[in-house]
Amino acid sequence: KAGVTQTPRYLIKTRGQQVTLSCSPISGHRSVSWYQQTPGQGLQFLFEYFSETQRNKGNFPGRFSGRQFSNSRSEMNVSTLELGDSALYLCASSWVAGAGGDTFGSGTRLTVV
Amino acid sequence: SQQGEEDPQALSIQEGENATMNCSYKTSINNLQWYRQNSGRGLVHLILIRSNEREKHSGRLRVTLDTSKKSSSLLITASRAADTASYFCATSLLDAGGTSYGKLTFGQGTILTVHP
Repeated sequence: KAGVTQTPRYLIKTRGQQVTLSCSPISGHRSVSWYQQTPGQGLQFLFEYFSETQRNKGNFPGRFSGRQFSNSRSEMNVSTLELGDSALYLCASSWVAGAGGDTFGSGTRLTVV
Repeated sequence: SQQGEEDPQALSIQEGENATMNCSYKTSINNLQWYRQNSGRGLVHLILIRSNEREKHSGRLRVTLDTSKKSSSLLITASRAADTASYFCATSLLDAGGTSYGKLTFGQGTILTVHP
C-alpha cells in the first residue's frame, strides 16, 4: 500500500514569500501531523489534524498554518518566510496520532534565501 | 523544547558489535517509539513500547522501558554498515485527563556510525 507522500521534495524560496507544502496520508488514515526539523531545534511538532479539524498546535507563530481536506490530504502554509524557516518539514499519518504507528513521509526540504 | 534527552549524541562502532542508545523523558507517557532517519530523509518507525511494557524485541532490536526512571534504551545487536543513521526516541504525552495530546515529542537523537 502507498506510503505518506509529501510534495514537493525540495523548495527554494525568498524571504518574505509564502509557501504551501502538501501531504497525502496513507489511505484510511484520518490523522495528519506536521513536524519541523532543524539542526538547532531538532524535531518539533507543528500541528495535527483529524477529520478536517485542527486538534493540537505546537508553539509556532501564526505565520504557520495548515488545513486538512475531506480526503484527509493536508497542506501547511508558511507566510512571510524568514531565513530561520529553512528546515525539513515532515508529515506523519496515522489512525490515531501519537498512539503508535505514526508513518512519516520523506519530507520537504525548504530553503529560504 | 525537547521532551527527551538521548545519549550518547554520537556512537561509532565496528560491524558486528552491539549498539546501545538511551533516552530519558520528563513527563508521564502512554507510549515510546524509536525511529531511524537516514541522511535527513523521512523517519522510519522501528518499534513501539507501551507504558505498561518493560521490554520488547523486534529482529535485532531490543527496547526496554523503565517508567520509574523515565528512561528507555534501544539495543541493536550484530550491527551492520546499513544501520548507520540517526536514531530518535519519541514519546506520546498524557494530559491530566489521560487523553493523548496526539503528538510525538522527540529527543535530539543519536548519530550511529557502523564501520565495515
